[in-house]
Amino acid sequence: DAGVIQSPRHEVTEMGQEVTLRCKPISGHDYLFWYRQTMMRGLELLIYFNNNVPIDDSGMPEDRFSAKMPNASFSTLKIQPSEPRDSAVYFCASSLGGISWTNTEAFFGQGTRLTVV
Amino acid sequence: TQLLEQSPQFLSIQEGENLTVYCNSSSVFSSLQWYRQEPGEGPVLLVTVVTGGEVKKLKRLTFQFGDARKDSSLHITAAQPGDTGLYLCAGEEGGYQKVTFGIGTKLQVIP
Repeated sequence: DAGVIQSPRHEVTEMGQEVTLRCKPISGHDYLFWYRQTMMRGLELLIYFNNNVPIDDSGMPEDRFSAKMPNASFSTLKIQPSEPRDSAVYFCASSLGGISWTNTEAFFGQGTRLTVV
Repeated sequence: TQLLEQSPQFLSIQEGENLTVYCNSSSVFSSLQWYRQEPGEGPVLLVTVVTGGEVKKLKRLTFQFGDARKDSSLHITAAQPGDTGLYLCAGEEGGYQKVTFGIGTKLQVIP
């Protein structure tokens, strides 16, 4: 398996524009996570899905952020409108089963580095 | 305020030296994980510790979970340039949404 695939790897956009980040999880994995990483705050969980259903989106910073998982092999994270403070590296991760991380392993993609100018 | 404090934030050492990095919290965790992240890549899981006082070894890396399950340490023996990276700890309080990551320790091993 190629692992978790994210696109694009880098995105530079102007403030106010819509940004869509994409993720293809590992085939067969039933959990998908979106994280954001910054120097100041580290890795923060934004939202996660189980069997394509959003379970917890309490980490989504504002209504400008939305995430979808239309099928088991694809998810998107959208920011509209984007702001400079959204600049960060966004990671998608997937895992197989388990209620807690004690019993499973999350595999991360290579991330999308977003810069909003 | 970071729930998980990692120290030191930066560490630069010569190849062959030993080092220890720390992960501390005031919260009790049901499990704690250590990851290594290389530039331009996502974090990769190294180990999960569950029991207070637990020690796990992965080749030259030794991981320890504190007795009270509030802290952990990672010790590397005879560091090699391949150990260079960002080391992250992540504590789980129960359920995926309760996983907290530290900011990490950036390690550079100089040949």
